[in-house]
Amino acid sequence: EVQLVQSGAEVKEPGESVKISCQGSGYSFTNSWIGWVRQTPAKGLEWMGNIYPGDSDTRYSPSFQGHVTISADKSINTAYLQWSSLRASDSAMYYCARRGATLEMFDYWGQGTLVTVSS
Amino acid sequence: DIQLTQSPSFLSASVGDRVTITCRASQGISSYLAWYQQKPGKAPKLLIYAAATLHSGVPSRFSGSGSGTEFTLTISSLQPEDSATYCCQQLAGVPLTFGGGTKVEIK
Repeated sequence: EVQLVQSGAEVKEPGESVKISCQGSGYSFTNSWIGWVRQTPAKGLEWMGNIYPGDSDTRYSPSFQGHVTISADKSINTAYLQWSSLRASDSAMYYCARRGATLEMFDYWGQGTLVTVSS
Repeated sequence: DIQLTQSPSFLSASVGDRVTITCRASQGISSYLAWYQQKPGKAPKLLIYAAATLHSGVPSRFSGSGSGTEFTLTISSLQPEDSATYCCQQLAGVPLTFGGGTKVEIK
């Protein structure tokens, strides 16, 4: 059974750093793209970027490039999303999702990680 | 960026009704369109990909159609468990984008 399990909720202050994780199981983690998606009430679902854990090839949405870093450790089947300096506007639910073999969908999703940034 | 416009943004229908949701793309995306269902507090779930292919385990009352710039998601006979928000996504161009969502309420 394909599963993506994300790390727990984070509460941070503006300017702090954070790294959230997404561990895959039940499939070949190195052979499927993992995407990160932000969800807010105001803007809905937004694709942030993808990583291919096999070679760490990474693609970013222009809206998020330079503000977040996507990485992966294939030895432990885990992808990461990190910020070095959080803003209040980063408060959101973040999902990881596996991009299917034909690249035509995100077929399995993590349960989500809520990040709250507040002073 | 490719914009996706969903309509309606909200609909209320009765159990057994046929429901149709539309997703329009700002430029042609061939059939690179997926539909997701999301219930409150849960992650999105894939329903349909490649515009018309039903994902494994999804009930056959869900169907998708369209290509180019206009797509539809149809629920042939609405069930109580279909109360959710439905969202389209294009995977033809970077950045990948999502529609604004359609909330479906059961009367």
